[in-house]
Amino acid sequence: GQQVMQIPQYQHVQEGEDFTTYCNSSTTLSNIQWYKQRPGGHPVFLIQLVKSGEVKKQKRLTFQFGEAKKNSSLHITATQTTDVGTYFCAGGKPGSNYQLIWGAGTKLIIKP
Amino acid sequence: DGGITQSPKYLFRKEGQNVTLSCEQNLNHDAMYWYRQDPGQGLRLIYYSQIVNDFQKGDIAEGYSVSREKKESFPLTVTSAQKNPTAFYLCASSIIIGSSYNEQFFGPGTRLTVL
Repeated sequence: GQQVMQIPQYQHVQEGEDFTTYCNSSTTLSNIQWYKQRPGGHPVFLIQLVKSGEVKKQKRLTFQFGEAKKNSSLHITATQTTDVGTYFCAGGKPGSNYQLIWGAGTKLIIKP
Repeated sequence: DGGITQSPKYLFRKEGQNVTLSCEQNLNHDAMYWYRQDPGQGLRLIYYSQIVNDFQKGDIAEGYSVSREKKESFPLTVTSAQKNPTAFYLCASSIIIGSSYNEQFFGPGTRLTVL
């Protein structure tokens, strides 16, 4: 079936360093959503991108949706301890009654 | 205070027993979803419902059943036919506007352990 591949699985950074996670789909997506899940918590919606080539920013977070609507990235500038958690992308499956296909997530770990 | 509640937070059951996980929302959302989360994997859709008395299978519906008798409630039954039921189960809901995808709001989850 249709899959969304997300890499890397883990990223260890020093506080203050940048963090990036990437999602790639084998087929065109209707949209892409990004969620954050804190340790022991549940996913919380961050943003949705719909248009080809769209770029959105939320403070230190920058989200991009590829021109072909098959890939997306999330970049965090100057990570802080509050950024710790797992970041998931979820792509809208065309013609699917609003089903999302989830990436496996990238866990952001701040080195002590 | 609006939101989605799931109970219980932790659930232990013996192998071969059916178990029902509850999900209630007071957000007046039409759509509700059940996901399963396993370590190192993304969320996998079990069932979803867009309207009362109607629901559709997701990618991994085998061994599970649901009902949607009220807009606010979408309980999930994990049956003895589910081969590997130990997992973290998440319920979510969203509004439906036209043909748009909308953000999903998640409950706190139920961690089911089958002994």
